[in-house]
Amino acid sequence: SYELTQPPSVSVSPGQTAIITCSGDKLGDKYVCWYQQKPGQSPVLVIYQDNKRPSGIPERFSGSNSGNTATLTISGTQAMDEADYYCQAWDSSTENVFGPGTKVTVL
Amino acid sequence: EVQLVESGGGLVQPGGSLRLSCAASGFTFSNYDMHWVRQPAGKGLEWVSSIGATGDTYYAGSVKGRFIISRENAKNSLYLQMNSLRAGDTAVYFCVRDGGVQKFDYWGQGILVTVSS
Repeated sequence: SYELTQPPSVSVSPGQTAIITCSGDKLGDKYVCWYQQKPGQSPVLVIYQDNKRPSGIPERFSGSNSGNTATLTISGTQAMDEADYYCQAWDSSTENVFGPGTKVTVL
Repeated sequence: EVQLVESGGGLVQPGGSLRLSCAASGFTFSNYDMHWVRQPAGKGLEWVSSIGATGDTYYAGSVKGRFIISRENAKNSLYLQMNSLRAGDTAVYFCVRDGGVQKFDYWGQGILVTVSS
């Protein structure tokens, strides 16, 4: 079965850039979404189709996907961005798959 | 406003059955694919099952043959019939709308299912 890997944790200072990676075999051939989940809350879609932002998601969230790695970048990270982030991949030959999640800590 | 409200969770013994429901509102339910995603306490997200707008169904390998997803468009409702439940099925189950190309754009608040004797 298809698997995605993410770093367990990322630490960032306020105002700096947080980069979260998601790796999988030929991931660049698939669509990738990113979800933010704060404690006790349901996940929220922050990036879809690799690099598109839903309405209401701040511009500081951006995404890319190429080769075997997708990346979620949070520019000018704020304290409110502290959360778990999950990547998700899909194509017509793959079940929906989530990465294990990355805990972003804003120090 | 899109709303997804799950119900039907609770405590069930191993080997037992449970039926989850999801009441949808704020959008034309019949036009959208829908999913169930689960999350064990303190762990990550796991896609469980999906049903297309036309009724085609898909399952994760871990639940195939035990769970059945269905929908009733006239009632704007999504269901998950869970049979032969195991301890490993213990999780919060989320009802999720697919906004197109497998983007999960709206999530319910989740419902807890506990499988224990």
